[in-house]
Amino acid sequence: GAGVSQSPSNKVTEKGKDVELRCDPISGHTALYWYRQSLGQGLEFLIYFQGNSAPDKSGLPSDRFSAERTGGSVSTLTIQRTQQEDSAVYLCASSLRGVGSNQPQHFGDGTRLSIL
Amino acid sequence: KQEVTQIPAALSVPEGENLVLNCSFTDSAIYNLQWFRQDPGKGLTSLLLIQSSQREQTSGRLNASLDKSSGRSTLYIAASQPGDSATYLCAVRFTGTASKLTFGTGTRLQVTL
Repeated sequence: GAGVSQSPSNKVTEKGKDVELRCDPISGHTALYWYRQSLGQGLEFLIYFQGNSAPDKSGLPSDRFSAERTGGSVSTLTIQRTQQEDSAVYLCASSLRGVGSNQPQHFGDGTRLSIL
Repeated sequence: KQEVTQIPAALSVPEGENLVLNCSFTDSAIYNLQWFRQDPGKGLTSLLLIQSSQREQTSGRLNASLDKSSGRSTLYIAASQPGDSATYLCAVRFTGTASKLTFGTGTRLQVTL
């Protein structure tokens, strides 16, 4: 498709389980971002990938969170041993180029994660 | 600390009115500022991006201005329509933390018939 695609759109799981969230960026976009949107916290940055460079993981809230980007395209965000405070909407964005450019970020519709 | 603030948090206007949404940021060292709209249950739709060297950008009924020295941006919506009802988010790419956008908490706009 033409836009950023995220799956699943909704995920409900029990506390303590691991979850994987997927993001397909816009074709040709070299930069990919993950953000989290939760009630009372607004939108917060999690991680940034740019080409083959080491990712900026400075926004990951704990070591239970990890992400990878295979082949410079698809990315997965993994949350291990989920906690109730992980409940949020996880948004992925991509841009044609990353830091230092003035390219807009384009967002997917997000994955709504609910931890029971 | 680099912060972005949006006032008001919510706004209701009758159809046809022109309106202004405000965004302020604490550090003038920015790459750019981006305005988004978010509909309920959806992701963010990019509306306008203003580079740090620019003063304004226009797209259709939307006009965004940037005053970097005073740390302010406004989004002007002309002749508002019910379809403009959404949450509007301002996001800044600060030069010191250029990997990310720092978001305001948004203004929830309702345009009534």
